[in-house]
Amino acid sequence: NAGVTQTPKFQVLKTGQSMTLQCAQDMNHNSMYWYRQDPGMGLRLIYYSASEGTTDKGEVPNGYNVSRLNKREFSLRLESAAPSQTSVYFCASTRDMDSPLHFGNGTRLTVT
Amino acid sequence: TQLLEQSPQFLSIQEGENLTVYCNSSSVFSSLQWYRQEPGEGPVLLVTVVTGGEVKKLKRLTFQFGDARKDSSLHITAAQPGDTGLYLCAEEYGNKLVFGAGTILRVKS
Repeated sequence: NAGVTQTPKFQVLKTGQSMTLQCAQDMNHNSMYWYRQDPGMGLRLIYYSASEGTTDKGEVPNGYNVSRLNKREFSLRLESAAPSQTSVYFCASTRDMDSPLHFGNGTRLTVT
Repeated sequence: TQLLEQSPQFLSIQEGENLTVYCNSSSVFSSLQWYRQEPGEGPVLLVTVVTGGEVKKLKRLTFQFGDARKDSSLHITAAQPGDTGLYLCAEEYGNKLVFGAGTILRVKS
């Protein structure tokens, strides 16, 4: 049972380049989330999808877009990367809010 | 979104010592989750506390929820190097989970 799988694990981009971070879960969870983690700031929610077919902004959505491709997959896109988007990105999923979040192992992104 | 404050930010102790970390808010929690994150991995749930005054134990870890449900603490007895990590508290807010900044714990052998 793989849980939550994120790809890639590491990525270096130049300012202005675009990329998509992939996330897939095999637990049949309804809700999926994208967080970014920066030193001293904990995990901040970028976007979430409470159920297949819906997406909503979180605390720090600017500069990002998401797609809930199907129940399993939730991707995060950076259209024009900026150095301020250097961070570790975590995808998570849960069956419902009474259940724990299951996290992937993160994507470490550096924008130069 | 209510602000979750965790303290201390960083704690470095020797193996065998006891420690307590805290999570506080100016508003009442509906429920509170504690996670531990090890380097290079995502956070993993330790416990959920729901009822004011609740105490839950997980081996050497004791979690307490304040009577007024505005604060919570995590006490570790006889810390071990394997306890090293980032401890995060989180609260449900609508359809999402909001996290505190965390306490970095380092246990030296």
